Parts: sequence; C-alpha cells; structure tokens
Amino acid sequence: RKEVEQDPGPFNVPEGATVAFNCTYSNSASQSFFWYRQDCRKEPKLLMSVYSSGNEDGRFTAQLNRASQYISLLIRDSKLSDSATYLCVVYGQNFVFGPGTRLSVLP
Amino acid sequence: NAGVTQTPKFQVLKTGQSMTLQCAQDMNHEYMSWYRQDPGMGLRLIHYSVGAGITDQGEVPNGYNVSRSTTEDFPLRLLSAAPSQTSVYFCASSYDRGGSPLHFGNGTRLTVT
Repeated sequence: RKEVEQDPGPFNVPEGATVAFNCTYSNSASQSFFWYRQDCRKEPKLLMSVYSSGNEDGRFTAQLNRASQYISLLIRDSKLSDSATYLCVVYGQNFVFGPGTRLSVLP
Repeated sequence: NAGVTQTPKFQVLKTGQSMTLQCAQDMNHEYMSWYRQDPGMGLRLIHYSVGAGITDQGEVPNGYNVSRSTTEDFPLRLLSAAPSQTSVYFCASSYDRGGSPLHFGNGTRLTVT
C-alpha cells in the first residue's frame, strides 16, 4: 500500500460545481497535512494546511480525520482557474506526496 | 523576495555526463530538499538537509549527491547521468523540521539521452 493515496481522477466538472477530493495515508504518526495545487509544468504551490478541527479558506474547505487517516478537500463554486492537479501531502519524518488528482473545470 | 531559486530551468545531458543543479533560498529556512517528479508518480524525495553540514538520503538517492555548506544553498549533483534520471527536479525548503509547509523552486527539466 502506498503511503499516501488519492482519488485517481481526472475530475471534469462544470463551472459552479462543488467537487470533493479524498486522500488516505498509512502512517498513523503523521503530524502535518497539506493540500497543494500544481499547474501543468509548474511547481507545486501550497493551497492550504489542514488542521484537526477542519479549516476553510474562501471556497476551499479541508477536513482531517486522524482516526480514519483520511483528509479531504472541498471546492465550492468551481472556477475555470481551479483547473489543476491537487496534491495531498503528509508530513511524518519527511514530506510524502500523493500522486495527485487532476481537476478540469469546464465552461 | 526571491524565495527558492533553482537553476537551470532546462538541461540536456548525454549518458555518463555529470552536472550540478543549483538551489538557493533566502528565507533562512533550516530544511531543504530535492524531489523528482515522473509522469504518473508523486514527487519522490531524493535527499534532504535539516541544516548546514547535515544531509540525509530520501527515497531515491542513488546516482545523486548533495552537500549543505551554507544555510542558503543545497546543490544536487548527478555523478554519471543515466536515461532513468530524465525527470523534472524540484528543490523545496521549509522553515524547520517540524512540518512547516514546503516552498518550491520553479523546477529543472532534465533530459538524459
């Protein structure tokens, strides 16, 4: 089993849709959790850190369930500019990246 | 504010050649790391450093060397390039070893023929 697994995607959604990404991790000692977005042929950029109580940043909501070792990202009111690959990242002794889930928001 | 600077952006090597990928950060970050990204795979850790003079191996260290003589710089050396090292390489830094978010450089696209 991979350390960090994500929905395989791709997700193709219309503008304005709500989309949810799921991520599971295998290391129960993991301490920090993040969502990054990566545009084609560019470097990953931090979208948001994920806190135990859940957190929201505008249209983006992240949730963490330590008992189930599960992280989620919800995007509301999708914009064309949200089209990217979303990477789940987990930190234990080092940062471990999921393979990413590609999102295409269609006009 | 430059953040993490990587050079070069693109490089083509012949099998057996050596080269150094440069990485510098101006944020006084303790933690620096190198990743490679291949199609269909997540970013994989090559080497990392938790401070000047300290380096350690990641998941895929073979064929690569690193050094950390200063807090700012963390070069990655390919000793004898192989086609399997064709990849996109990212340098990233973090404030400390405690899981602060990573900040990435722009990446280096390396092709080995």
